[in-house]
Amino acid sequence: AQSVTQPDIHITVSEGASLELRCNYSYGATPYLFWYVQSPGQGLQLLLKYFSGDTLVQGIKGFEAEFKRSQSSFNLRKPSVHWSDAAEYFCAVGPINDYKLSFGAGTTVTVRA
Amino acid sequence: NAGVTQTPKFQVLKTGQSMTLQCAQDMNHEYMSWYRQDPGMGLRLIHYSVGAGITDQGEVPNGYNVSRSTTEDFPLRLLSAAPSQTSVYFCASSSARDLNTEAFFGQGTRLTVV
Repeated sequence: AQSVTQPDIHITVSEGASLELRCNYSYGATPYLFWYVQSPGQGLQLLLKYFSGDTLVQGIKGFEAEFKRSQSSFNLRKPSVHWSDAAEYFCAVGPINDYKLSFGAGTTVTVRA
Repeated sequence: NAGVTQTPKFQVLKTGQSMTLQCAQDMNHEYMSWYRQDPGMGLRLIHYSVGAGITDQGEVPNGYNVSRSTTEDFPLRLLSAAPSQTSVYFCASSSARDLNTEAFFGQGTRLTVV
């Protein structure tokens, strides 16, 4: 069975500081990994995805994530956070070509001035 | 291009009432699915469909029914609402033709059962 763990429920970061959100997954085969962002009252927007190839993936809004198979991790990073990055972030894993995604519980990011 | 449209955005039901959450997509996607989002639990898959006429259960299907008579629509039915079904519901769709694609989500329906 596939599962996702996001160890941090809530992170507070200062505007301009760097951000790293952790994601660990459990999956028996080659995973298809995603990071989604949810702004208050909104649906989920895809930030980036990993399917194969280069393990460092660039996404929208200046985010990147690194796939580490040996650690079963797919951590999300941003070098300099903007106030508009305050949101909830979800890591998800799914089988290739099957969209039964498993989501982590989410990490809420608060940005302070 | 509207993407994935969910209606209504908000709904309050009394215990035992029935209702249908609507989901429509205009991207000709084969895959459609329903998730519920609860605090501290992320999104959990309720039901999904791989094409018109085909549906299957996800992780938490009890208390919900679905049908897929057209490619565009994937309604979720609550036959007898319970307070445990208070949640935010998201519909998603994706293409089966491209391995390297993504799931598109609707804006969500916030349901309260009293």
